[in-house]
Amino acid sequence: DTGVSQDPRHKITKRGQNVTFRCDPISEHNRLYWYRQTLGQGPEFLTYFQNEAQLEKSRLLSDRFSAERPKGSFSTLEIQRTEQGDSAMYLCASSRGQTEQYFGPGTRLTVT
Amino acid sequence: TQLLEQSPQFLSIQEGENLTVYCNSSSVFSSLQWYRQEPGEGPVLLVTVVTGGEVKKLKRLTFQFGDARKDSSLHITAAQPGDTGLYLCAGARGSGNTGKLIFGQGTTLQVKP
Repeated sequence: DTGVSQDPRHKITKRGQNVTFRCDPISEHNRLYWYRQTLGQGPEFLTYFQNEAQLEKSRLLSDRFSAERPKGSFSTLEIQRTEQGDSAMYLCASSRGQTEQYFGPGTRLTVT
Repeated sequence: TQLLEQSPQFLSIQEGENLTVYCNSSSVFSSLQWYRQEPGEGPVLLVTVVTGGEVKKLKRLTFQFGDARKDSSLHITAAQPGDTGLYLCAGARGSGNTGKLIFGQGTTLQVKP
């Protein structure tokens, strides 16, 4: 059983550009979460999917952020018109129901 | 508002010493998870505690969930350099919730050989 995978691992972009990250959860995990982690802090919840339905979004998720999980398997997180404040580690986690969450390696975003 | 407070935030000790990390909240959690994270990587799950007063052991690591399910501790016996990393506690709220985790700010542990 492979773990949660994320792509890319690192992304450097210029302010104003759009970026998209992908997360592949553990197979048969119906729940998928996105978190954001800045240096020296714990991860903060962004959004959550149960199968293909996006059921909760944090206030941290501005209008420039959008997430999808079209077939209930992999998910994408897009950030439009990136700002320097978007620089962070974006983490994806999956779980089977309300059980333990397993995290991927993360995507490190740097906005210059 | 930080719902989960971890202490200490930084800890630097010598190999062989014991240590305890605390995770405190004024809120009740249905379960609490401990993760360890290395630089540039995602958090790796160590343990989940769900019952008030529960104690779980993982080799040299002992985890305890408070009776009221508001706090937890992680005790490491005879720390080794391989224990170095960021330790995170994360709480989940009750049933019917999304299951989203609320994280503490983490404890950075450095074990010197």
